[in-house]
Amino acid sequence: KNQVEQSPQSLIILEGKNCTLQCNYTVSPFSNLRWYKQDTGRGPVSLTIMTFSENTKSNGRYTATLDADTKQSSLHITASQLSDSASYICVVSAYNAGNMLTFGGGTRLMVKP
Amino acid sequence: EAQVTQNPRYLITVTGKKLTVTCSQNMNHEYMSWYRQDPGLGLRQIYYSMNVEVTDKGDVPEGYKVSRKEKRNFPLILESPSPNQTSLYFCASRQTGGSGNTIYFGEGSWLTVV
Repeated sequence: KNQVEQSPQSLIILEGKNCTLQCNYTVSPFSNLRWYKQDTGRGPVSLTIMTFSENTKSNGRYTATLDADTKQSSLHITASQLSDSASYICVVSAYNAGNMLTFGGGTRLMVKP
Repeated sequence: EAQVTQNPRYLITVTGKKLTVTCSQNMNHEYMSWYRQDPGLGLRQIYYSMNVEVTDKGDVPEGYKVSRKEKRNFPLILESPSPNQTSLYFCASRQTGGSGNTIYFGEGSWLTVV
């Protein structure tokens, strides 16, 4: 069964600090991996998309890495801001007719002043 | 502006009373889908549609129906809602022809069934 596991479940950091969120997956056959930011009660917003051949992608202060061999991804947030407080969701797509998405449970990040 | 619009955003209804949550996108996307989000379970796909008149079940389709008569609209129908369908629902759309296309989500619909 396709699965996406994220860690930690929640994280509290001080403003200005860096942090790294982890995503492990067992989705097969792998198509791509996405990171989303979801503010409380709002729809997820795309941060990055990576295919099999990409091992890093940046979007401002967000940098995602992908190791397709170990089936792991990380999202690194640099110089955190209060507005980074949100849930971060790892989503892995399988290469099939429906491009079925498997969602991780998310990491809830709180940035404190 | 690229948008996925859901209505209603908030709804409290009673068990067994049919309801429809509408979803509309303005990006001419072929692919649309519905998800529910429950605490501790993440987002789970209910139904998806690859194009007009083409729909298929996701992971948790029981108790739901969908239709895709027009490209821009993809309503979610609960024929006889039950309390276990209390959840936060999201509609999403994306372009096909490439698995790496961005998925756009609506703002969500909070549904409570009492």
